[in-house]
Amino acid sequence: GEDVEQSLFLSVREGDSSVINCTYTDSSSTYLYWYKQEPGAGLQLLTYIFSNMDMKQDQRLTVLLNKKDKHLSLRIADTQTGDSAIYFCAETPQGNNNDMRFGAGTRLTVKP
Amino acid sequence: KAGVTQTPRYLIKTRGQQVTLSCSPISGHRSVSWYQQTPGQGLQFLFEYFSETQRNKGNFPGRFSGRQFSNSRSEMNVSTLELGDSALYLCASSTVLAGGGEQFFGPGTRLTVL
Repeated sequence: GEDVEQSLFLSVREGDSSVINCTYTDSSSTYLYWYKQEPGAGLQLLTYIFSNMDMKQDQRLTVLLNKKDKHLSLRIADTQTGDSAIYFCAETPQGNNNDMRFGAGTRLTVKP
Repeated sequence: KAGVTQTPRYLIKTRGQQVTLSCSPISGHRSVSWYQQTPGQGLQFLFEYFSETQRNKGNFPGRFSGRQFSNSRSEMNVSTLELGDSALYLCASSTVLAGGGEQFFGPGTRLTVL
């Protein structure tokens, strides 16, 4: 099975908050990431959190990490139509490497 | 500062051929990782290079290989192409090897195998 799991779809109205959830299995993960992918494009790094933190805020984005439950979430405040994309969460394991394990991605649709 | 660049952006090959993809990391970044993205398997790690040495390898057959040059540019090669190799190939660069920090992706090379 996958190491990182996400729900596949999320639909919200413009102006609402979006919350995208992710669970992971490797408790030794050091960094957890959120990437955004628009159609036909590569991955854009949105934010990341080190595993000894439980929250990180960056403008409209808030990342919450519950290490005990291995649960990561990304909250987008005041969601705009330009936020429509696929959002991937990813983890890197402990150790000297940058091997990232990705979830399947959550497709966020923002309706006007 | 320029981002990660990948060439070519699109490529069409036939089964049995081989292909070489190129990735130029952000200036100053020494780590380059490669990923394969397909609708069925999602994003899967191929390998990572740091200071011209392969440091980590994913679960792909030996037909997939890579290398890194002294200027940190990296190439990925796939020999004896199969239909299932059709995918978006992404590379990512980072300043460090040790377990994370910011990793930036290029736009990808979309490979179609006919």
